[in-house]
Amino acid sequence: AQSVSQHNHHVILSEAASLELGCNYSYGGTVNLFWYVQYPGQHLQLLLKYFSGDPLVKGIKGFEAEFIKSKFSFNLRKPSVQWSDTAEYFCAVMENRDDKIIFGKGTRLHILP
Amino acid sequence: DVKVTQSSRYLVKRTGEKVFLECVQDMDHENMFWYRQDPGLGLRLIYFSYDVKMKEKGDIPEGYSVSREKKERFSLILESASTNQTSMYLCASSSRWARGSGANVLTFGAGSRLTVL
Repeated sequence: AQSVSQHNHHVILSEAASLELGCNYSYGGTVNLFWYVQYPGQHLQLLLKYFSGDPLVKGIKGFEAEFIKSKFSFNLRKPSVQWSDTAEYFCAVMENRDDKIIFGKGTRLHILP
Repeated sequence: DVKVTQSSRYLVKRTGEKVFLECVQDMDHENMFWYRQDPGLGLRLIYFSYDVKMKEKGDIPEGYSVSREKKERFSLILESASTNQTSMYLCASSSRWARGSGANVLTFGAGSRLTVL
């Protein structure tokens, strides 16, 4: 069965610091990859997604992620974080032949003002 | 602008009670999902449905059942609630997978926080 591993459970950064959140998945076939974000008190929402093509994908609010197939990774990055980025971030994977989406355990990001 | 509506934001039930969590979407999506969200465990898939009257078990279906009699509505049922089912329950929907399209982006509801005493 496919699984998703997020390396950091809790990350604390100061404003303007650079961010990288790790995500690895276990499925060996073709996958679609997602990062979702949950701001305090809000619904989960899509941050960015990869379906095919350019492995570097850009999302909302200056986030980007790079799909590295050989490493089964889809790490999330942002060059300079803001206090408003405080949230919980979830990596998710979907096999190309299926509609089922599996999530990682999440990374809670806290930005110090 | 609300697209996925969960009927109850907060519920408190007693052990052994039957619990119904309702979810309605207005986007004509084929797929609907129930996840539970627990601190440190992320989102775990309970059940999903590709179409009316169809259901598939997710990773943690034990103690739960579902019903999808209409395309827009997907219900999660706890036949006999237990304290370990205290959790946040999230409903989501998506359109059918299509290669290279924007399909399969999940739209989530606000969640239903269930406490079982």
